[in-house]
Amino acid sequence: SQELEQSPQSLIVQEGKNLTINCTSSKTLYGLYWYKQKYGEGLIFLMMLQKGGEEKSHEKITAKLDEKKQQSSLHITASQPSHAGIYLCGAGLTDSWGKLQFGAGTQVVVTP
Amino acid sequence: KAGVTQTPRYLIKTRGQQVTLSCSPISGHRSVSWYQQTPGQGLQFLFEYFSETQRNKGNFPGRFSGRQFSNSRSEMNVSTLELGDSALYLCASSFSGGATYNEQFFGPGTRLTVL
Repeated sequence: SQELEQSPQSLIVQEGKNLTINCTSSKTLYGLYWYKQKYGEGLIFLMMLQKGGEEKSHEKITAKLDEKKQQSSLHITASQPSHAGIYLCGAGLTDSWGKLQFGAGTQVVVTP
Repeated sequence: KAGVTQTPRYLIKTRGQQVTLSCSPISGHRSVSWYQQTPGQGLQFLFEYFSETQRNKGNFPGRFSGRQFSNSRSEMNVSTLELGDSALYLCASSFSGGATYNEQFFGPGTRLTVL
């Protein structure tokens, strides 16, 4: 079973609409990362959250880490075709060197 | 700054062979982590190196090994390849390797196919 649960597994959104992806853990998260991946390619770093209650934004993407540091959400406003891809959340579930646990990913399709 | 680079990008090998993959981290980064990505298991942590020392290891058999050089470049080796080793192998670099306050940046990956 995945220690990091991502939902939904996939979603189809019409261009211009908003979308939200969730990442949940039963353990405290030591550093929560959001990445985007095009199929078969490397992971593109989006943002990292550290503190409970933290919120970061970049262009049309906003990520939040809840106060208990066990859940994060990624929100995309006014989606565009460039937002299509696989979004992955990764986190340190213990403060161990270099090791991130990853969710299974959310595939986002943006339709015209 | 140049990003994380991995070579080669694609490899085709046959069962029983061995393979070596290379990763050059971002300049100034001393930690390199390796991950295996497959459709069935997703992203799984292999090991992490810092200053030429392996500090952390995932649950993979001993056929998977790695090393890091004094310039922080890292290699991973897989011996006696099996069909199940077919995967995208990703390396990530960070300044110190801790999960907190320490962004990890990934390379483009090496796609290994075992026939």
